[in-house]
Amino acid sequence: SAVISQKPSRDICQRGTSLTIQCQVDSQVTMMFWYRQQPGQSLTLIATANQGSEATYESGFVIDKFPISRPNLTFSTLTVSNMSPEDSSIYLCSVEARGPFNEQFFGPGTRLTVL
Amino acid sequence: DAKTTQPNSMESNEEEPVHLPCNHSTISGTDYIHWYRQLPSQGPEYVIHGLTSNVNNRMASLAIAEDRKSSTLILHRATLRDAAVYYCILRDGGGSNYKLTFGKGTLLTVNP
Repeated sequence: SAVISQKPSRDICQRGTSLTIQCQVDSQVTMMFWYRQQPGQSLTLIATANQGSEATYESGFVIDKFPISRPNLTFSTLTVSNMSPEDSSIYLCSVEARGPFNEQFFGPGTRLTVL
Repeated sequence: DAKTTQPNSMESNEEEPVHLPCNHSTISGTDYIHWYRQLPSQGPEYVIHGLTSNVNNRMASLAIAEDRKSSTLILHRATLRDAAVYYCILRDGGGSNYKLTFGKGTLLTVNP
């Protein structure tokens, strides 16, 4: 299993500003993922972050808006840049477990409100 | 990714069994069937997965149709803590596809 923590747990931000969300895992993992969950919606994958390489973004998400860092095997950050009210969502990170089930473990999420 | 279809919502009574259906008629031979659930105000958590045979674990059972075009997640005795959104997801077992593609899931309500 993997235990994941995220900081901050929630934040209220002004439009036009940026917020960096941190994701910390208690074990070394190869792949980390960032998801967005808009109010009342399901999860949408933003990008996959591997240590030592550029993040891979899904369709509809770009690096200028959601830059990601992956400096080591236990940590990643997601920045939401130049925010607008449409960016109000829960942002979650997850990791792929090194186990027989290949299940993903999710962090508790960061609830972002943009005014 | 192959798509899945689930009912938007289901209701159950506490301590009764719950059968959550999922249709995946376009499933390929290498797709595994995964189930996750998301409790209120939490990130999703893994429940169970299978390929062809029925599977049991401490949380639930997974019954897979012989043609693999549908499956059913079974909670043997629902508790109030099982109230959550349940997601049925297909994952290619071919090695390099780590992505989870979430549909809308089924919102399970458990009545006391």
